[in-house]
Amino acid sequence: QLQLQESGPGLVKPSETLSLTCIVSGGSISRSNYYWGWIRQPPGKGLEWIGSVYHSGRTHKNPSLKSRVTISVDTSKKQLSLKLTSVTAADTAVYYCARAACVTTYGVVTHRDPFDIWGQGTTVAVSS
Amino acid sequence: QSALTQPASVSGSPGQSITISCTGTNSDIGTFDLVSWYQQHPGKAPKLIIYGVSERPSGVSNRFSGSKSGNTASLTISGLQAEDEADYHCFSYAGGIGFENWVFGGGTKVTVL
Repeated sequence: QLQLQESGPGLVKPSETLSLTCIVSGGSISRSNYYWGWIRQPPGKGLEWIGSVYHSGRTHKNPSLKSRVTISVDTSKKQLSLKLTSVTAADTAVYYCARAACVTTYGVVTHRDPFDIWGQGTTVAVSS
Repeated sequence: QSALTQPASVSGSPGQSITISCTGTNSDIGTFDLVSWYQQHPGKAPKLIIYGVSERPSGVSNRFSGSKSGNTASLTISGLQAEDEADYHCFSYAGGIGFENWVFGGGTKVTVL
């Protein structure tokens, strides 16, 4: 049974870089029929898609965060990574990693499912 | 401000049916049949309950149903139960040629009276 586990620093100072990892266990991280994502939820607010990464390494990011976000996957370590630069208090949130299915034909993603397996989330506070 | 608009709260009595709306635009809900719904209990990760507008994942109660008309998607919970009290989030694909984008609604708190 696939499980995802996020981990991170818990507290980050303003203007610094937030770095999170997500360990994948109980299944493969390198199958081409899945993609992976990061989603966050500020306290008392709704969910926000941060970005996705595919088996090919290609990434897609929320336009509002694109310039500050780096997402990667390390298949040898079975982990995903998220880096968010120049953080402010507005980046305080619970951060989730998640998995979704996709269909790829001749290297082109032709169908995407929504995220069906989520980690439990890790809380990050931005404060001096 | 979220890209998709949901009511902040909806309530109902046990056994009743309630419907949650999710309004988007021609760039997301109006174009793609990739609308999904998540249920989230306090302190827990979201759980997928509807995908592809109206499909239910294995194990999800048939009391949950989804639909779409134009730029608005809806989630209906029939036979409301105490365990249905939670936050519900809609989620839609909003990408285009060469780029991917996904948008969430602001979430709706369902209260069972």
